[in-house]
Amino acid sequence: DAGVTQSPTHLIKTRGQHVTLRCSPISGHKSVSWYQQVLGQGPQFIFQYYEKEERGRGNFPDRFSARQFPNYSSELNVNALLLGDSALYLCASSFINSGSYEQYFGPGTRLTVT
Amino acid sequence: LAKTTQPISMDSYEGQEVNITCSHNNIATNDYITWYQQFPSQGPRFIIQGYKTKVTNEVASLFIPADRKSSTLSLPRVSLSDTAVYYCLVGVEGYSTLTFGKGTMLLVSP
Repeated sequence: DAGVTQSPTHLIKTRGQHVTLRCSPISGHKSVSWYQQVLGQGPQFIFQYYEKEERGRGNFPDRFSARQFPNYSSELNVNALLLGDSALYLCASSFINSGSYEQYFGPGTRLTVT
Repeated sequence: LAKTTQPISMDSYEGQEVNITCSHNNIATNDYITWYQQFPSQGPRFIIQGYKTKVTNEVASLFIPADRKSSTLSLPRVSLSDTAVYYCLVGVEGYSTLTFGKGTMLLVSP
C-alpha cells in the first residue's frame, strides 16, 4: 500500500513569494495534519483537517493556510515567504479524527527561502 | 498538554540494549505516552504507545511506573540503523495534534 506522499520533494523560493505544498494521505485516511520542522527542532503543528474541515490550528501566522479536497488530499499554502519559513514541511494522515495517537507521516517537502 | 523532558543525546554500540527515559511530571489522568522515531530528512514514525505498566511490540518496549511521571523506551539489541531521533509525546489518545519536543538523538556505533 502507498504511504503518505508529498510534492514537491524540494523547493527553492524567494522572499515574498507564495508556495503551495501538496499531500496525499494513505487510502482510507480522512484526517490530514501539517507540521513544520526547522533544523534541530521537533515538528511543530500547523493545521489539521478532517472531512474537509479545519479541526485544529497551531500558532502560525495567517500567511499559512490549508485546505482539504473531496478525495482527502490537502494543500498547504504559505504567502509572503520569509527566510524563517525555510523548513521541512511534513504531512501526516490518520484513519480517524480521534481514537489513536498514531499518525503516518510523509517524507516531507524541503522548502528553502532565499 | 504535559511537558516532557528527555536527554538531548545518547550513545550506544551495536547489540546493546538502549533505554531512553522521558520525564513528564504533569501528566494528566487521561494522557497516553507515545514514542516516535525520526531518521534524517524523513517524517517521524510511530513506535509504541502506552498508558501504564508495560507495553511491548516487535520493535520496542515501553515501561511506565505506577506514578506515570516518567516512562522508558527500551530498544533491545540496537543496530546501526537505529541511529535516529526519538521523541516522547504525552497527550490524550485521539488528540489529533502531536506536540513534539526536541527529542533524543541516539547514535549507535559499530
